Amino acid sequence: GEDVEQSLFLSVREGDSSVINCTYTDSSSTYLYWYKQEPGAGLQLLTYIFSNMDMKQDQRLTVLLNKKDKHLSLRIADTQTGDSAIYFCAVPDSGNTPLVFGKGTRLSVIA
Amino acid sequence: DAGVIQSPRHEVTEMGQEVTLRCKPISGHDYLFWYRQTMMRGLELLIYFNNNVPIDDSGMPEDRFSAKMPNASFSTLKIQPSEPRDSAVYFCASSLGGRNRPDTQYFGPGTRLTVL
Repeated sequence: GEDVEQSLFLSVREGDSSVINCTYTDSSSTYLYWYKQEPGAGLQLLTYIFSNMDMKQDQRLTVLLNKKDKHLSLRIADTQTGDSAIYFCAVPDSGNTPLVFGKGTRLSVIA
Repeated sequence: DAGVIQSPRHEVTEMGQEVTLRCKPISGHDYLFWYRQTMMRGLELLIYFNNNVPIDDSGMPEDRFSAKMPNASFSTLKIQPSEPRDSAVYFCASSLGGRNRPDTQYFGPGTRLTVL
């Protein structure tokens, strides 16, 4: 089955860019996702990218997909203290359902 | 829509007691998922349903865990008997599913379970 790996912690200064990386094993995924979890809450979809795209930009968020290396990244520009959360990479486990989530990267933003 | 509703939000119980967690998915969603989140193991998929039918329960840790979905608007996750290692946050999520479109899962706020 699908395996999704991501680093567990990232610490950045307010105003800097954050880059969260993810690797996966199944190349047949159609959509790849980033979810965000704020303290005490459930996960919420942050953004997604279709597998035939290399890049998707949405305001401060940029998603990069390298299908050859099976590498997905999320860049947050001008990181704010409100961006402090856990970010999960999620990839479908053959087909589109269910999703396999990474362990999550805890982003800490230092003022 | 109110989103995915879970109850209770917090549950504290003693080892050996039965625990029942409840979930109301978003109306019209065909898929319902139960997850468990701990610091050690991260987010684990326990079981998921499609149109009220359990599709994959391979993530259910032991026979002490059971899940039902008697209708499209209600699901339960039961632990009997509960053990301290079951302490975790349990999430329910629902989605429309589908192969050729983004399949957003909508998560409930979770139930924080503490087994003493």
